[in-house]
Amino acid sequence: EVRLVESGGGLIQPGGFLRLSCAASGFTISDKYMSWIRRAPGKGLEWVSLISSGGRTKYADSVKGRCIISRDNSKNTLSLEIISLRVEDTATYYCAREIYYGTGTSNPFDVWGQGTMVTVSS
Amino acid sequence: EVVMTQSPATLSVSPGERATLSCRASQSVSGNLAWYQLKPGQAPRLLIYGATTRATGIPARFSGIVSGTEFTLTISSLQSEDFAVYYCQQYNHWPPAFGPGTKVDFK
Repeated sequence: EVRLVESGGGLIQPGGFLRLSCAASGFTISDKYMSWIRRAPGKGLEWVSLISSGGRTKYADSVKGRCIISRDNSKNTLSLEIISLRVEDTATYYCAREIYYGTGTSNPFDVWGQGTMVTVSS
Repeated sequence: EVVMTQSPATLSVSPGERATLSCRASQSVSGNLAWYQLKPGQAPRLLIYGATTRATGIPARFSGIVSGTEFTLTISSLQSEDFAVYYCQQYNHWPPAFGPGTKVDFK
């Protein structure tokens, strides 16, 4: 079964550090483009970061310079680190797999995890 | 960046009725538009991609229509499990962008 399971959320103080993990099963993450997407309370979905199958990374302007996406191929796990956390980083964070469609600059996301909640508050 | 808008913000529907959700892009996205369903505590689910193609395992009551930069998701006969929040997403331009969502709730 293809599955993604996020972990690492919780309550963090502003200015703190966050490391989220996403364990994949049923497929190999290094073969796919993988993203982190978040949903702030009462708001819509926001794409955060991507790592391509070749290891190229991209970031949303809202986290650029504060964020690192990486993967551990031996553990088939995706990670997201964010430093200098802000209240506006409060959200449920999802990892998601792209399904290759080839007609746009990116692709739809066909597999998602259930998300992990991050609250940035003092 | 492409800005996606969705309407209405909330749609109140009775089971068995048709639900029509709209999504608009600030510029052409060439049909590179997906729809997702979100339920509390569950993984989001891809419903439609390419504006009109149902994803694997999606029931036929879900359909997508496109007219220029206006996209529509129709649920022909709402089932109890369809009460959720629905998002559209364009993947034609970088970065990928989602709409603010439409909540379908019980009338």
